[in-house]
Amino acid sequence: ETGVTQTPRHLVMGMTNKKSLKCEQHLGHNAMYWYKQSAKKPLELMFVYSLEERVENNSVPSRFSPECPNSSHLFLHLHTLQPEDSALYLCASSQDVGGAGYGDNEQFFGPGTRLTVL
Amino acid sequence: AQSVSQHNHHVILSEAASLELGCNYSYGGTVNLFWYVQYPGQHLQLLLKYFSGDPLVKGIKGFEAEFIKSKFSFNLRKPSVQWSDTAEYFCAVNADTGFQKLVFGTGTRLLVSP
Repeated sequence: ETGVTQTPRHLVMGMTNKKSLKCEQHLGHNAMYWYKQSAKKPLELMFVYSLEERVENNSVPSRFSPECPNSSHLFLHLHTLQPEDSALYLCASSQDVGGAGYGDNEQFFGPGTRLTVL
Repeated sequence: AQSVSQHNHHVILSEAASLELGCNYSYGGTVNLFWYVQYPGQHLQLLLKYFSGDPLVKGIKGFEAEFIKSKFSFNLRKPSVQWSDTAEYFCAVNADTGFQKLVFGTGTRLLVSP
């Protein structure tokens, strides 16, 4: 496997279920990200991890719980979701978490998990 | 708050036509600028990026973009589109000096008819 992989690719869950999304990057990067892509809305950053430490929680409800056990893996644990949480969830990674002015530091995206909450 | 505006939500062109997609952002400091493309059924891929230096950047597949700081713009261009350019195009800006906090535009769906 190369690049950024995500499993499952599709997930349907009820509002009382607990499920997890998995992301794995094979690029040797130190930073990983979760994004949410809803219909007709811009891609929204949810969480940022740098060397397994969360550096940003972009006002995300607690029903979304990220976990980064090592620099290659990122999880998003889901519980008691709402139908409006149905979206495409994208994972990305970059060499480092450095921001504007830091230098060449692009993000590589996975294929996403299409989540439907019933 | 930072924002990114993509003015064209849907664009339909014939093959060989020229393309220009607009992107404007709201932040005035140091920025990194990106254009990503999402082909049907595929994941987001980087088309081109600007970090510093020459404001005219060239990307893959004949695309280029020009960073005009005074206009807060980073428009994407291609002189002659192909049917295979049919995709959704996203402009993204990072203006956070602390870490990579990409703010995306809403995207432009491009349909190129053969």
